Amino acid sequence: DSGVTQTPKHLITATGQRVTLRCSPRSGDLSVYWYQQSLDQGLQFLIQYYNGEERAKGNILERFSAQQFPDLHSELNLSSLELGDSALYFCASSVGSYQPQHFGDGTRLSIL
Amino acid sequence: DAKTTQPNSMESNEEEPVHLPCNHSTISGTDYIHWYRQLPSQGPEYVIHGLTSNVNNRMASLAIAEDRKSSTLILHRATLRDAAVYYCILSSDSGNTPLVFGKGTRLSVIA
Repeated sequence: DSGVTQTPKHLITATGQRVTLRCSPRSGDLSVYWYQQSLDQGLQFLIQYYNGEERAKGNILERFSAQQFPDLHSELNLSSLELGDSALYFCASSVGSYQPQHFGDGTRLSIL
Repeated sequence: DAKTTQPNSMESNEEEPVHLPCNHSTISGTDYIHWYRQLPSQGPEYVIHGLTSNVNNRMASLAIAEDRKSSTLILHRATLRDAAVYYCILSSDSGNTPLVFGKGTRLSVIA
């Protein structure tokens, strides 16, 4: 158990819809990362937050947004969903410099 | 981040040692070498990391070449539970920067 909790584990929805994925980092971890894993693109970094502030952006689409709340949990919002958004979405957290990232078990998003 | 090169797949017998290679010829002086693995239906899991010296922990050992252009992850006795995709990643500070995953090495363990 990594200590990182992601909900829901599975999400099935239709094209054009909007969903919210939730991540609770390990206790004390200030950094939260979101990654997307698809069959054709592999694991790709989307966005990072540190103590409530956006710190780095990767290949995140404009239809996607995220935030980190004062209690440090984070949400990834995906809107106007397309078939190609079907993927595993992982959240990771880290306590700080030179420390490993710890990953949750992901949310599997299926767009029908 | 500098690029790493790993074999697509490897196979090992159970209870035998496994040596997973990684080439990183363009590594910079501040890059740490990290290994993560991803078991089926799970998120990536940290295995080990090092800078210059060889490192050991309860999961594995990391052998780093003297010129740092390559490294080897060593699993001393492979078990069926070690079947996973192993990723070798370079990062100057994995705690504060995103990880860049390549395709990794898919390790199969045969009973």
